[in-house]
Amino acid sequence: GEDVEQSLFLSVREGDSSVINCTYTDSSSTYLYWYKQEPGAGLQLLTYIFSNMDMKQDQRLTVLLNKKDKHLSLRIADTQTGDSAIYFCAESSWQAGTALIFGKGTTLSVSS
Amino acid sequence: DGGITQSPKYLFRKEGQNVTLSCEQNLNHDAMYWYRQDPGQGLRLIYYSQIVNDFQKGDIAEGYSVSREKKESFPLTVTSAQKNPTAFYLCASSDRTTPMNTEAFFGQGTRLTVV
Repeated sequence: GEDVEQSLFLSVREGDSSVINCTYTDSSSTYLYWYKQEPGAGLQLLTYIFSNMDMKQDQRLTVLLNKKDKHLSLRIADTQTGDSAIYFCAESSWQAGTALIFGKGTTLSVSS
Repeated sequence: DGGITQSPKYLFRKEGQNVTLSCEQNLNHDAMYWYRQDPGQGLRLIYYSQIVNDFQKGDIAEGYSVSREKKESFPLTVTSAQKNPTAFYLCASSDRTTPMNTEAFFGQGTRLTVV
């Protein structure tokens, strides 16, 4: 079955770059996603990447995709305290009616 | 404003009771989903529906039931058969008219506590 793995915690200082890593198993996934969740709230889509791309940049966010290794990363430049949240990597699952399969989430803590 | 609305935000249930969580969307999305979130577990899929009057079990459907009588609505019932229902429940929807991109929009969640 599909599985998405992420490290659980990351701690950085304000102004540094953050890199959150993810590995996935479903090679048929056409889109891969990064979602952000603030405490007590739903999930907010940050960015996504199509599987035929290697990189996507959107302001402070850079997504890198290594399809051969099934590895996805999210880099946040100039990390701010407002970036503190849980970040989820997700892949779409054709076996589950295109429902998203999520990793367990990486808690990013930004200290000033 | 278009969006997806879950209610209530907080819900308390006595042991042995069934409770129903509401999820409504006005995005005209065909597909809707229910996820359960526990600390350190990420999001796990409970049920999903790709079209009105049809739904499928996800990974952890036992103890839950759903209905999809209207496109806009996908209520989730947590039954007394669910052994550990205390969790944060998230509803989502997506537009299947663009089948290659399954971006999901999420509600703000319902926190269910068994007392």
